[in-house]
Amino acid sequence: DGGITQSPKYLFRKEGQNVTLSCEQNLNHDAMYWYRQDPGQGLRLIYYSQIVNDFQKGDIAEGYSVSREKKESFPLTVTSAQKNPTAFYLCASTEDGANYGYTFGSGTRLTVV
Amino acid sequence: QKEVEQNSGPLSVPEGAIASLNCTYSDRGSQSFFWYRQYSGKSPELIMFIYSNGDKEDGRFTAQLNKASQYVSLLIRDSQPSDSATYLCAVNPPGDALIFGKGTTLSVSS
Repeated sequence: DGGITQSPKYLFRKEGQNVTLSCEQNLNHDAMYWYRQDPGQGLRLIYYSQIVNDFQKGDIAEGYSVSREKKESFPLTVTSAQKNPTAFYLCASTEDGANYGYTFGSGTRLTVV
Repeated sequence: QKEVEQNSGPLSVPEGAIASLNCTYSDRGSQSFFWYRQYSGKSPELIMFIYSNGDKEDGRFTAQLNKASQYVSLLIRDSQPSDSATYLCAVNPPGDALIFGKGTTLSVSS
C-alpha cells in the first residue's frame, strides 16, 4: 500500500543534542512538507520541498535543517539551536500543487528530557 | 501575513444534530480549501475539499465556500460520537504551501 512512513513514533532528545526525524513516501509525490504542531495549536510550516535537491524555509525554520537527496525521502534534523523542540512533527506530501490536499504520515512526538 | 481563523471551541452537539464549523481566510487569491479531521494524538485526515463557490456534499458532510466573503464552512449532519475530534481548515494560497487554522474541537454527546 502507498503511503508516508514517519519514524520513530516517539523520540527523546537531550539538551544540546541534534536528532533526525525520518520521512519516507512511496506515493511518487513530488512535493514534501514538514509541519510542527503544539498542543491546542494548528500546524506550522517548517520546511518544504517541491523537487529533489531543492527546499524552501517555512514560517518557523530556525533551528531546523532538511535535505532532499531522493524523491522518496525528506528527513528533518532538529538542531541544538532549536530551543523549544518538544512538539508533534508531521510530514506530508502531495502530487499536484496541493490541489488535492496533502497526505500525512502518522507523526513523530519529540520530547526534550 | 496570510491567516486562517477558526473558533477553537469546544463545539458541543447532541448525537443526531447538525454540527456547523466555520473558517475565514485572509488571502483573497486562495483557490483550494480543505477540511481535515484530527483525532487526539493522531495525524490529520482529509475529509473534504472544495474549489468553487457553493456547496459540495459527501455523505454526511457538506462543505460550503463563499470566496467573496472569504468564508468556508463544514456541516456534519446526523452527528455521531465518533465525529468527536478537532477539525482543521486549510487554505492553499497560489504558489504557497497549505496554511492551517488552529482547529475547532467538536464534542458529540450520546
